[in-house]
Amino acid sequence: DTAVSQTPKYLVTQMGNDKSIKCEQNLGHDTMYWYKQDSKKFLKIMFSYNNKELIINETVPNRFSPKSPDKAHLNLHINSLELGDSAVYFCASSQGQASSGNTIYFGEGSWLTVV
Amino acid sequence: GNSVTQMEGPVTLSEEAFLTINCTYTATGYPSLFWYVQYPGEGLQLLLKATKADDKGSNKGFEATYRKETTSFHLEKGSVQVSDSAVYFCALSLNTNAGKSTFGDGTTLTVKP
Repeated sequence: DTAVSQTPKYLVTQMGNDKSIKCEQNLGHDTMYWYKQDSKKFLKIMFSYNNKELIINETVPNRFSPKSPDKAHLNLHINSLELGDSAVYFCASSQGQASSGNTIYFGEGSWLTVV
Repeated sequence: GNSVTQMEGPVTLSEEAFLTINCTYTATGYPSLFWYVQYPGEGLQLLLKATKADDKGSNKGFEATYRKETTSFHLEKGSVQVSDSAVYFCALSLNTNAGKSTFGDGTTLTVKP
């Protein structure tokens, strides 16, 4: 059973399109995250939700909009895709906030390529 | 602010060589410290962690000791294998950090047979 699963794994799309990445965790965690990893492997947090409430919203263009319908799901919608959005997007979760020393569990990543 | 600085890569070693990946941190308080590993094509997974000074985290032959006096959490393994080839991330988390963990830039390790 995959603990944190995200779909699609690969996505190739044209500039200007709108796309969504879905994420689900079956660990019973109350905190979920979206991270972006660029081509140099640098990892940056984008958003964090705790019990469906947004608690971290880093400096991310407002073309990116997370949605958490329940504690087990955190989807990422991206409008008007740009070339610079090409990256690997990781969904993750933790029991309680990571700031309290809790382990973060990552999904396998969604490879987004904008052409 | 809080930050993590880890040894720049890439690091290339022969099988059975000794590995050290340096990690130092800056934090306004007493953080928990982590090493995460990312194998090719996969997400990050926890390798080991330590939550207080002088604690040693260990897993799969890897070890790291939380050194408060030098603000370090260096990763070591006595004898690496080809299967250890991956990207290694040092990270810290702090109660006062508004829910965020801080990750280092990652160190790519390649082990050659």
